Amino acid sequence: GAGVSQSPSNKVTEKGKDVELRCDPISGHTALYWYRQSLGQGLEFLIYFQGNSAPDKSGLPSDRFSAERTGGSVSTLTIQRTQQEDSAVYLCASRPPGQGPRQPQHFGDGTRLSIL
Amino acid sequence: AQKITQTQPGMFVQEKEAVTLDCTYDTSDPSYGLFWYKQPSSGEMIFLIYQGSYDQQNATEGRYSLNFQKARKSANLVISASQLGDSAMYFCAMRDDAGGTSYGKLTFGQGTILTVHP
Repeated sequence: GAGVSQSPSNKVTEKGKDVELRCDPISGHTALYWYRQSLGQGLEFLIYFQGNSAPDKSGLPSDRFSAERTGGSVSTLTIQRTQQEDSAVYLCASRPPGQGPRQPQHFGDGTRLSIL
Repeated sequence: AQKITQTQPGMFVQEKEAVTLDCTYDTSDPSYGLFWYKQPSSGEMIFLIYQGSYDQQNATEGRYSLNFQKARKSANLVISASQLGDSAMYFCAMRDDAGGTSYGKLTFGQGTILTVHP
């Protein structure tokens, strides 16, 4: 079956522009997570969705960052007025319901975002 | 707050030898899960192994085993019979399962780059 799909795989944009990153989780996975991987900060949690609601958005670094999920499936992470420090790989992961604690999060290949 | 520490920025091992990657963690929660992921240069995160805080035995998955020492708060990954394809970044991660939920976020260590020499 298909894994977690993220698009675009690479994005280069100018400082100050808005960007949208997309995540298509594994079919049937109700939990969806966004993480950011950067050289200076390592892997950081951003936000978690259960269905269409976000019980934990504690990792969003500023109000320039927002995310939504529609239909319990696709999620979009939006960064407004991008800054150079937003340059990172943005990883999405999903997890199925009711599988117990041993079930890991399954990751996509990420979107590499570069802010010029 | 949870914290994961991987003290080895880089490790080298000869092909076919075993290698141990260190991971220590800090949490005040009695219920948690520990994970190891592999990230090759291509970038994907590959799940390797899981250990629950209440598991009585160390987890094993093929050539991977987890040396879980709860009192010392360590969860070292042991890779036996290393292969060239094992060269990658390895991340230790923890999930807080307090409240009976296992949907919490993962907190990651800084990672260890493993290089396997022929």
